[in-house]
Amino acid sequence: DTGVSQDPRHKITKRGQNVTFRCDPISEHNRLYWYRQTLGQGPEFLTYFQNEAQLEKSRLLSDRFSAERPKGSFSTLEIQRTEQGDSAMYLCASSSDRAGNQPQHFGDGTRLSIL
Amino acid sequence: KQEVTQIPAALSVPEGENLVLNCSFTDSAIYNLQWFRQDPGKGLTSLLLIQSSQREQTSGRLNASLDKSSGRSTLYIAASQPGDSATYLCAVSSGFQKLVFGTGTRLLVSP
Repeated sequence: DTGVSQDPRHKITKRGQNVTFRCDPISEHNRLYWYRQTLGQGPEFLTYFQNEAQLEKSRLLSDRFSAERPKGSFSTLEIQRTEQGDSAMYLCASSSDRAGNQPQHFGDGTRLSIL
Repeated sequence: KQEVTQIPAALSVPEGENLVLNCSFTDSAIYNLQWFRQDPGKGLTSLLLIQSSQREQTSGRLNASLDKSSGRSTLYIAASQPGDSATYLCAVSSGFQKLVFGTGTRLLVSP
């Protein structure tokens, strides 16, 4: 169990550019979540995958945001035409759907700074 | 819409004290409640998960309780240590296990 891995750890880009983040969940976990956290706040849910199917999306996920999990393993989160308000920590989590409630395990996040 | 509140927002204690962090939520129809620790600039570390049918969970010096009917949970930390300094986040699971978080309690334990 190597934990949830996110790449890159930090991303600095100019407003209007596109960015893509990657998340590698714990290998046996079939549920994968994306959250966004701004300074001084708790994480906010963005979207959820069960295997390769994207089952829920928050209203926070505008049409500039897209997430994929093509083979039910790693996931990518892309933000197009970035805006200053997109500056935040983007967190990925994974969990198992074994019987009973299973805890979500989080990666260290990708910190996005928009200049 | 589920809302989670954590009190206090910040707490400073001397080493060795026992302390209690509070979490309240507005909708009692939850699947589970999870307590996390977050160090500055880092992700979240899961501390304890309480299923909706359970009343409490313990791990080492940590004990978490859940009163679903009143929408409250507490995290009890015994014999606090400087290494416990971090932000503690409470989150409830509502549907597909997506988590709704509070804003956290920043804990500072002084030597």
